[in-house]
Amino acid sequence: DQQVKQNSPSLSVQEGRISILNCDYTNSMFDYFLWYKKYPAEGPTFLISISSIKDKNEDGRFTVFLNKSAKHLSLHIVPSQPGDSAVYFCAASGGTYKYIFGTGTRLKVLA
Amino acid sequence: ETGVTQSPTHLIKTRGQQVTLRCSSQSGHNTVSWYQQALGQGPQFIFQYYREEENGRGNFPPRFSGLQFPNYSSELNVNALELDDSALYLCAAGGESTDTQYFGPGTRLTVL
Repeated sequence: DQQVKQNSPSLSVQEGRISILNCDYTNSMFDYFLWYKKYPAEGPTFLISISSIKDKNEDGRFTVFLNKSAKHLSLHIVPSQPGDSAVYFCAASGGTYKYIFGTGTRLKVLA
Repeated sequence: ETGVTQSPTHLIKTRGQQVTLRCSSQSGHNTVSWYQQALGQGPQFIFQYYREEENGRGNFPPRFSGLQFPNYSSELNVNALELDDSALYLCAAGGESTDTQYFGPGTRLTVL
């Protein structure tokens, strides 16, 4: 049973435009959500996180939105850059360090 | 730079063998977790150690075991290797004051 789902395996966006990556979860006990970026042959790199008491968190070009009633979060990257091309994972936890990851979305930013 | 390192980078073993993977993190990282990432999948939680005690386990059999040491290093041991154990193994470290874990670069294990 996949508790965290990323339904889009891939996404292509033009440089300078907005990238929107989506993630859905089923467990209402999750209270902390994160986005990681992963390049080939490297470990996941932490991007941004959000606690369930918030509905938005911003860090530079990256913004994460959380809709608890819909059990949905999204990552917005504005403006997208070619260096953003990577696989993006969302992860969720419920008060522990046990993260449940989605299967990832491969983002390709076209120059 | 996450301050989390792993060794070796790559490893090839044969079915039935045993393997030890290592992880080292910086001072203050009292929690270490290990994940298995199969091709095309997200990382799957194996277990977590907090102050040298196992503090949570995912759906992995007992032949997956670990240790955490006082010097912020950790080991993942896998006995009786199976072909399906071929994956990228990631360790992640975190401190007590943050919910965020930082990942190492991973060890790519191939079982033949």
